[in-house]
Amino acid sequence: TQLLEQSPQFLSIQEGENLTVYCNSSSVFSSLQWYRQEPGEGPVLLVTVVTGGEVKKLKRLTFQFGDARKDSSLHITAAQTGDTGLYLCAGEETSGSRLTFGEGTQLTVNP
Amino acid sequence: DAGVIQSPRHEVTEMGQEVTLRCKPISGHNSLFWYRQTMMRGLELLIYFNNNVPIDDSGMPEDRFSAKMPNASFSTLKIQPSEPRDSAVYFCASSAKGVGYEQFFGPGTRLTVL
Repeated sequence: TQLLEQSPQFLSIQEGENLTVYCNSSSVFSSLQWYRQEPGEGPVLLVTVVTGGEVKKLKRLTFQFGDARKDSSLHITAAQTGDTGLYLCAGEETSGSRLTFGEGTQLTVNP
Repeated sequence: DAGVIQSPRHEVTEMGQEVTLRCKPISGHNSLFWYRQTMMRGLELLIYFNNNVPIDDSGMPEDRFSAKMPNASFSTLKIQPSEPRDSAVYFCASSAKGVGYEQFFGPGTRLTVL
Protein backbone atom coordinates (compact mmCIF):
# COMPACT_ATOMS: atom_id res chain seq x y z
CA THR A 1 0.00 0.00 0.00
CA GLN A 2 1.30 3.45 -0.94
CA LEU A 3 1.26 5.94 1.95
CA LEU A 4 0.00 9.52 2.00
CA GLU A 5 0.92 12.01 4.70
CA GLN A 6 -1.17 15.08 5.33
CA SER A 7 -0.12 18.22 7.17
CA PRO A 8 -1.05 19.88 9.31
CA GLN A 9 -3.21 17.41 11.19
CA PHE A 10 -5.16 20.22 12.90
CA LEU A 11 -5.63 23.83 11.84
CA SER A 12 -7.62 26.52 13.62
CA ILE A 13 -7.85 29.93 11.96
CA GLN A 14 -9.97 33.07 11.90
CA GLU A 15 -12.50 33.81 9.20
CA GLY A 16 -10.87 35.66 6.31
CA GLU A 17 -7.44 34.05 6.65
CA ASN A 18 -5.77 31.96 3.97
CA LEU A 19 -4.48 28.43 4.52
CA THR A 20 -2.74 25.59 2.74
CA VAL A 21 -3.03 21.86 3.41
CA TYR A 22 -0.39 19.49 2.11
CA CYS A 23 -0.55 15.86 1.00
CA ASN A 24 2.79 14.13 0.43
CA SER A 25 4.07 10.73 -0.58
CA SER A 26 7.24 9.08 -1.81
CA SER A 27 5.13 7.13 -4.31
CA VAL A 28 3.60 8.12 -7.62
CA PHE A 29 -0.19 8.12 -7.89
CA SER A 30 -2.30 7.83 -11.03
CA SER A 31 -4.67 10.49 -9.74
CA LEU A 32 -5.45 12.27 -6.52
CA GLN A 33 -8.78 13.18 -5.02
CA TRP A 34 -9.67 15.65 -2.28
CA TYR A 35 -12.69 15.02 -0.07
CA ARG A 36 -14.34 17.00 2.71
CA GLN A 37 -16.09 15.29 5.58
CA GLU A 38 -18.48 16.90 8.06
CA PRO A 39 -19.38 15.39 11.45
CA GLY A 40 -21.73 12.43 11.23
CA GLU A 41 -21.45 12.18 7.45
CA GLY A 42 -19.34 10.41 4.87
CA PRO A 43 -16.65 12.17 2.85
CA VAL A 44 -17.78 14.12 -0.23
CA LEU A 45 -15.56 14.57 -3.27
CA LEU A 46 -14.31 18.10 -3.95
CA VAL A 47 -11.99 17.53 -6.92
CA THR A 48 -9.88 14.99 -8.81
CA VAL A 49 -6.50 15.91 -10.29
CA VAL A 50 -4.91 13.61 -12.84
CA THR A 51 -2.06 15.32 -14.67
CA GLY A 52 1.25 16.28 -13.05
CA GLY A 53 1.31 20.04 -12.45
CA GLU A 54 -2.45 20.33 -12.83
CA VAL A 55 -4.20 23.17 -11.03
CA LYS A 56 -7.94 23.20 -10.43
CA LYS A 57 -10.01 25.92 -8.83
CA LEU A 58 -13.31 25.51 -7.06
CA LYS A 59 -14.46 28.99 -5.99
CA ARG A 60 -12.05 29.94 -3.14
CA LEU A 61 -10.33 26.52 -3.17
CA THR A 62 -7.26 25.87 -5.34
CA PHE A 63 -5.94 22.34 -5.77
CA GLN A 64 -2.55 21.48 -7.25
CA PHE A 65 -1.04 18.14 -8.22
CA GLY A 66 2.73 17.97 -8.03
CA ASP A 67 4.72 17.66 -11.25
CA ALA A 68 5.88 14.17 -10.27
CA ARG A 69 2.36 13.15 -9.13
CA LYS A 70 3.65 12.38 -5.63
CA ASP A 71 2.14 15.31 -3.76
CA SER A 72 -0.74 17.74 -3.75
CA SER A 73 -1.89 20.87 -2.00
CA LEU A 74 -5.18 22.54 -1.19
CA HIS A 75 -5.20 26.30 -0.72
CA ILE A 76 -8.24 28.12 0.67
CA THR A 77 -8.47 31.86 0.22
CA ALA A 78 -10.44 33.99 2.69
CA ALA A 79 -11.70 31.05 4.72
CA GLN A 80 -15.31 31.05 5.91
CA THR A 81 -16.90 29.26 8.85
CA GLY A 82 -18.62 26.98 6.35
CA ASP A 83 -15.21 25.64 5.31
CA THR A 84 -14.89 23.91 8.68
CA GLY A 85 -14.48 20.16 8.28
CA LEU A 86 -12.09 17.26 7.82
CA TYR A 87 -10.18 17.47 4.54
CA LEU A 88 -8.91 14.17 3.16
CA CYS A 89 -6.62 13.53 0.23
CA ALA A 90 -6.83 10.15 -1.49
CA GLY A 91 -4.44 8.76 -4.07
CA GLU A 92 -5.27 6.19 -6.68
CA GLU A 93 -2.43 3.68 -6.56
CA THR A 94 -0.71 3.02 -9.87
CA SER A 95 -1.85 -0.60 -9.67
CA GLY A 96 -5.39 0.72 -9.90
CA SER A 97 -6.46 -1.56 -7.10
CA ARG A 98 -7.27 0.92 -4.37
CA LEU A 99 -7.63 4.48 -3.16
CA THR A 100 -5.30 5.29 -0.24
CA PHE A 101 -6.46 8.04 2.10
CA GLY A 102 -4.31 10.44 4.07
CA GLU A 103 -4.93 10.87 7.79
CA GLY A 104 -6.87 14.07 7.21
CA THR A 105 -6.60 17.72 8.21
CA GLN A 106 -9.21 18.94 10.69
CA LEU A 107 -9.89 22.57 9.81
CA THR A 108 -11.77 24.89 12.14
CA VAL A 109 -12.62 28.38 10.93
CA ASN A 110 -13.63 30.65 13.79
CA PRO A 111 -15.96 33.64 13.29
CA ASP B 1 -31.30 9.41 -6.12
CA ALA B 2 -31.23 8.22 -2.51
CA GLY B 3 -27.47 7.89 -2.38
CA VAL B 4 -25.66 5.06 -0.63
CA ILE B 5 -27.79 3.62 2.16
CA GLN B 6 -26.28 2.02 5.25
CA SER B 7 -27.93 0.32 8.19
CA PRO B 8 -27.94 0.46 11.08
CA ARG B 9 -26.65 3.98 11.70
CA HIS B 10 -25.59 3.07 15.22
CA GLU B 11 -24.83 -0.30 16.76
CA VAL B 12 -23.87 -1.04 20.33
CA THR B 13 -23.02 -4.62 21.15
CA GLU B 14 -21.10 -6.68 23.65
CA MET B 15 -17.79 -8.36 23.01
CA GLY B 16 -18.22 -11.75 21.39
CA GLN B 17 -21.47 -10.95 19.63
CA GLU B 18 -21.94 -11.10 15.87
CA VAL B 19 -22.41 -7.79 14.07
CA THR B 20 -23.78 -7.37 10.54
CA LEU B 21 -23.57 -4.08 8.70
CA ARG B 22 -25.58 -3.52 5.55
CA CYS B 23 -25.13 -1.39 2.46
CA LYS B 24 -27.18 -0.55 -0.60
CA PRO B 25 -25.03 1.15 -3.27
CA ILE B 26 -26.24 3.71 -5.76
CA SER B 27 -28.16 2.02 -8.57
CA GLY B 28 -25.98 1.46 -11.62
CA HIS B 29 -22.67 1.68 -9.76
CA ASN B 30 -20.49 -1.36 -10.33
CA SER B 31 -17.91 -0.83 -7.57
CA LEU B 32 -18.47 -1.04 -3.84
CA PHE B 33 -16.02 -0.27 -1.04
CA TRP B 34 -16.08 -0.89 2.71
CA TYR B 35 -13.96 1.45 4.86
CA ARG B 36 -13.29 1.77 8.58
CA GLN B 37 -12.54 5.14 10.18
CA THR B 38 -10.92 5.67 13.58
CA MET B 39 -9.11 8.58 15.17
CA MET B 40 -5.91 6.56 15.38
CA ARG B 41 -5.78 5.07 11.90
CA GLY B 42 -7.94 7.38 9.79
CA LEU B 43 -9.93 5.97 6.88
CA GLU B 44 -8.83 2.47 5.89
CA LEU B 45 -10.04 0.38 2.97
CA LEU B 46 -11.27 -3.02 4.14
CA ILE B 47 -12.49 -4.57 0.89
CA TYR B 48 -13.40 -3.58 -2.65
CA PHE B 49 -15.91 -5.30 -4.95
CA ASN B 50 -16.20 -4.83 -8.69
CA ASN B 51 -19.28 -6.27 -10.39
CA ASN B 52 -20.07 -8.13 -7.13
CA VAL B 53 -16.67 -9.87 -7.11
CA PRO B 54 -14.14 -9.14 -4.34
CA ILE B 55 -11.07 -7.56 -5.97
CA ASP B 56 -8.95 -6.47 -2.99
CA ASP B 57 -9.59 -7.76 0.52
CA SER B 58 -6.08 -7.18 1.84
CA GLY B 59 -7.42 -4.60 4.28
CA MET B 60 -9.70 -7.04 6.10
CA PRO B 61 -8.13 -7.20 9.57
CA GLU B 62 -8.49 -10.90 10.27
CA ASP B 63 -10.71 -13.91 9.88
CA ARG B 64 -13.32 -12.41 12.17
CA PHE B 65 -14.27 -10.04 9.34
CA SER B 66 -16.12 -11.19 6.23
CA ALA B 67 -17.94 -9.35 3.45
CA LYS B 68 -20.37 -10.48 0.81
CA MET B 69 -22.06 -8.93 -2.18
CA PRO B 70 -24.75 -11.38 -3.34
CA ASN B 71 -26.09 -8.96 -5.95
CA ALA B 72 -25.48 -5.50 -7.38
CA SER B 73 -27.76 -3.78 -4.90
CA PHE B 74 -26.69 -5.22 -1.56
CA SER B 75 -23.58 -5.92 0.49
CA THR B 76 -22.89 -6.97 4.06
CA LEU B 77 -19.90 -6.71 6.35
CA LYS B 78 -19.93 -9.17 9.21
CA ILE B 79 -17.79 -9.28 12.32
CA GLN B 80 -17.88 -12.50 14.34
CA PRO B 81 -16.95 -12.47 17.15
CA SER B 82 -16.74 -8.73 17.75
CA GLU B 83 -14.06 -7.18 19.99
CA PRO B 84 -13.77 -3.73 21.62
CA ARG B 85 -10.97 -2.78 19.20
CA ASP B 86 -13.48 -3.11 16.34
CA SER B 87 -15.25 0.02 17.58
CA ALA B 88 -15.17 2.53 14.71
CA VAL B 89 -17.30 4.15 12.05
CA TYR B 90 -17.75 1.84 9.07
CA PHE B 91 -18.45 3.45 5.71
CA CYS B 92 -19.73 1.91 2.52
CA ALA B 93 -19.04 3.74 -0.75
CA SER B 94 -19.86 3.07 -4.38
CA SER B 95 -18.54 4.37 -7.67
CA ALA B 96 -19.67 4.11 -11.25
CA LYS B 97 -16.51 2.70 -12.75
CA GLY B 98 -13.99 1.72 -10.12
CA VAL B 99 -11.18 3.03 -7.95
CA GLY B 100 -10.17 6.18 -9.84
CA TYR B 101 -13.66 7.57 -10.11
CA GLU B 102 -15.65 9.57 -7.58
CA GLN B 103 -16.67 7.48 -4.61
CA PHE B 104 -20.03 8.26 -3.05
CA PHE B 105 -20.05 7.51 0.64
CA GLY B 106 -22.93 6.45 2.81
CA PRO B 107 -23.58 8.09 6.21
CA GLY B 108 -21.67 5.36 8.02
CA THR B 109 -22.44 2.95 10.85
CA ARG B 110 -21.01 3.87 14.24
CA LEU B 111 -20.13 0.59 15.95
CA THR B 112 -19.40 0.39 19.65
CA VAL B 113 -18.29 -2.93 21.09
CA LEU B 114 -18.37 -3.00 24.88
